[in-house]
Amino acid sequence: QQPVQSPQAVILREGEDAVINCSSSKALYSVHWYRQKHGEAPIFLMILLKGGEQKGHDKISASFNEKKQQSSLYLTASQLSYSGTYFCGTELDTGNQFYFGTGTSLTVIP
Amino acid sequence: KAGVTQTPRYLIKTRGQQVTLSCSPISGHRSVSWYQQTPGQGLQFLFEYFSETQRNKGNFPGRFSGRQFSNSRSEMNVSTLELGDSALYLCASSLRQGIKYEQYFGPGTRLTVT
Repeated sequence: QQPVQSPQAVILREGEDAVINCSSSKALYSVHWYRQKHGEAPIFLMILLKGGEQKGHDKISASFNEKKQQSSLYLTASQLSYSGTYFCGTELDTGNQFYFGTGTSLTVIP
Repeated sequence: KAGVTQTPRYLIKTRGQQVTLSCSPISGHRSVSWYQQTPGQGLQFLFEYFSETQRNKGNFPGRFSGRQFSNSRSEMNVSTLELGDSALYLCASSLRQGIKYEQYFGPGTRLTVT
């Protein structure tokens, strides 16, 4: 039930855009996105609830397609501070089961 | 407002021993969840406590247990330690019950089992 993220790793130059995908084989109620820098705790980015809404703040946004059990995280005009590992977390529609994704390592270079 | 704190930050134990980890949530947060993070398995949900009761549980053996006190502080216990229990253990607090709400993570306890 662990959601699969793609790509596993990506390297960007400052200012470039990136998309990180999260896919589950189970029906989802919510999708969470977190970023973790090396040696630090994960930091909450956003939650998307069932309903297909899109959320965002600053240059980071996300969408949730509940029919496909997929979510995508969009990073536009990337900054050096965006580097880290991004995790999606999925809450199943059947109850309070929560699974983190496999993680996507994102590196932004000057 | 102080963040989530975890103690100890580092721990070395021997196989067969038991260990207790502690987590103090953000003031006012009543939900505490525990996670295990390893390079091979990634982040895995252990359990969630709210109002001193375990509300949700992940797929871990009974050697992993926890509790929550009336002040929302939580402890996690692992008995009969195995080498595979070596991991970073993270706790996260949330304002309300349920993992559907945003969680704030502590710095983690790095457990090494030899």
